[in-house]
Amino acid sequence: AQSVTQLDSQVPVFEEAPVELRCNYSSSVSVYLFWYVQYPNQGLQLLLKYLSGSTLVKGINGFEAEFNKSQTSFHLRKPSVHISDTAEYFCAVSENDYKLSFGAGTTVTVRA
Amino acid sequence: DTAVSQTPKYLVTQMGNDKSIKCEQNLGHDTMYWYKQDSKKFLKIMFSYNNKELIINETVPNRFSPKSPDKAHLNLHINSLELGDSAVYFCASSQDRRTWEQFFGPGTRLTVL
Repeated sequence: AQSVTQLDSQVPVFEEAPVELRCNYSSSVSVYLFWYVQYPNQGLQLLLKYLSGSTLVKGINGFEAEFNKSQTSFHLRKPSVHISDTAEYFCAVSENDYKLSFGAGTTVTVRA
Repeated sequence: DTAVSQTPKYLVTQMGNDKSIKCEQNLGHDTMYWYKQDSKKFLKIMFSYNNKELIINETVPNRFSPKSPDKAHLNLHINSLELGDSAVYFCASSQDRRTWEQFFGPGTRLTVL
């Protein structure tokens, strides 16, 4: 069975600064990896996904993530954040067993 | 147009009551899900239906019963509500059983008093 660890529960960051959210997973088989974002009082929205191919994945709103198989990581980055990026970010993994397993989430607070 | 909708948005009720949450998707997807998000924002899958067939049934008390009258709807009925059931419940859908993109509804915040 797979599991997901998000290493930072809260990340405060100033506007226009870069941000990196860390995600590690454990699995004995190949996995699919995802980052979802939850804006305040809303449902989750897919930011980006890794299925196969290039290990650098670009998503919406200027986010990107890099899959590192040897380190079993899928860290999310954005070079310059906006106030509107304030949200909860969830890393998720699937072993193609029809289920997504989510991490505990990282709260990103962007300050002016 | 709302892709995945849930009703009600807020639900406040007493312990021991029975309540239902409804979910509808207009995306033409085959697969639908129910998730529970607790107070620490931890998100866990409860059920999944594919074309009205139950395909995922996690360790959830029998008091929770999903019903899918057609593939566009997945309702969640909860009997004998307990304090620990207080959470935000999210419905989601995906094109098919390949879960790489799920579309989430806005959530239903259930408070059991």
